[in-house]
Amino acid sequence: AQKITQTQPGMFVQEKEAVTLDCTYDTSDQSYGLFWYKQPSSGEMIFLIYQGSYDEQNATEGRYSLNFQKARKSANLVISASQLGDSAMYFCAILRGYNKLIFGAGTRLAVHP
Amino acid sequence: EAGVVQSPRYKIIEKKQPVAFWCNPISGHNTLYWYRQNLGQGPELLIRYENEEAVDDSQLPKDRFSAERLKGVDSTLKIQPAELGDSAVYLCASSGTSGDTYEQYFGPGTRLTVT
Repeated sequence: AQKITQTQPGMFVQEKEAVTLDCTYDTSDQSYGLFWYKQPSSGEMIFLIYQGSYDEQNATEGRYSLNFQKARKSANLVISASQLGDSAMYFCAILRGYNKLIFGAGTRLAVHP
Repeated sequence: EAGVVQSPRYKIIEKKQPVAFWCNPISGHNTLYWYRQNLGQGPELLIRYENEEAVDDSQLPKDRFSAERLKGVDSTLKIQPAELGDSAVYLCASSGTSGDTYEQYFGPGTRLTVT
């Protein structure tokens, strides 16, 4: 069975600093995808970044980058230059097959001015 | 481009009452998903549609939950009768058939409170 583990229930960061949100996964699939979503208090899940299991380079999207370590089965999200608007829940997810997403329990990020 | 639309945003009902949620996916998206998100947890898939066909409903509690996607566009999720444990946020998502097919676009969700 596939599983996502996010060990940090909550994280604090100072505005303009970088923060890393941890994610480890368990899968027996050879091909899979890893996602990070942001969920602000409004409730909508916002796609941030995607990493395919065969992608050799770490994915980047603006201030977001994914530190993918396949041998360790980790896919940590790095947010550079944190902004107050980054305060939200962050979910790591693994894509099984074509489109079945399995989510972790999430990490609540608070950005302080 | 309009996003995924869900209604209502909030619903409070007494246990044993029926409730229905509506979702309109992004135009042109063939795949539609219903997720349930319990407090403090990530979303869990309830059912996935490919056009009109429910292709993955293994996590849907079929004794009280039902869903339909007539004409392969919008969808309705129903609970009858609701139980206290059904209190959660119900999220709808959709995805397309080309390009960024791996990305699922989510609606704002319906927050259900069963009293």
